[in-house]
Amino acid sequence: DADVTQTPRNRITKTGKRIMLECSQTKGHDRMYWYRQDPGLGLRLIYYSFDVKDINKGEISDGYSVSRQAQAKFSLSLESAIPNQTALYFCATSDGPRNTEAFFGQGTRLTVV
Amino acid sequence: GDSVTQMEGPVTLSEEAFLTINCTYTATGYPSLFWYVQYPGEGLQLLLKATKADDKGSNKGFEATYRKETTSFHLEKGSVQVSDSAVYFCALRGPRSGNTGKLIFGQGTTLQVKP
Repeated sequence: DADVTQTPRNRITKTGKRIMLECSQTKGHDRMYWYRQDPGLGLRLIYYSFDVKDINKGEISDGYSVSRQAQAKFSLSLESAIPNQTALYFCATSDGPRNTEAFFGQGTRLTVV
Repeated sequence: GDSVTQMEGPVTLSEEAFLTINCTYTATGYPSLFWYVQYPGEGLQLLLKATKADDKGSNKGFEATYRKETTSFHLEKGSVQVSDSAVYFCALRGPRSGNTGKLIFGQGTTLQVKP
């Protein structure tokens, strides 16, 4: 089983719909992150969390919200999806600040029509 | 703010060719530098890293040297294989990230290796 699991892997939704992307990890890491990948732009940080009570906005948090249900679970929600939120979304975890490796899920490809 | 710039792709090479993917960065202080690889249909995996100036990271035949004087972290491999076809991301984690651990990514470079 993967250390960082994202569900669903692919999703097509309509404009205005609410959608939740889920992430769970078995690494035992405190830090969890949501990134968005767009062609030619690399990955950009949406939200990050250090523990259940510590949630922080990243560079592109507008239009998104998150929930850290437990140390192992971190969900990303689009309250009212719009077409320019069509992207590949990655969840990641790490156990330290500077020099430590981040572990990524396989990604969720979201299409908003 | 901190940023990472990679050479534009796609890069197309024949098997056994020499690979260089350029990466330069802008950051205050001394960031940690990383190369991640994304194989088709998969998430990102750490390929190598360097945490201080003049460090050389290496893995699976790939190497990159942390050059503070040129603010660069170019990825090299002496002889690529078809199985190296993937998207490669240069990334940094800078002092400005404080305790967050967040990564700043370049735009990614697609490598295609032909038999």
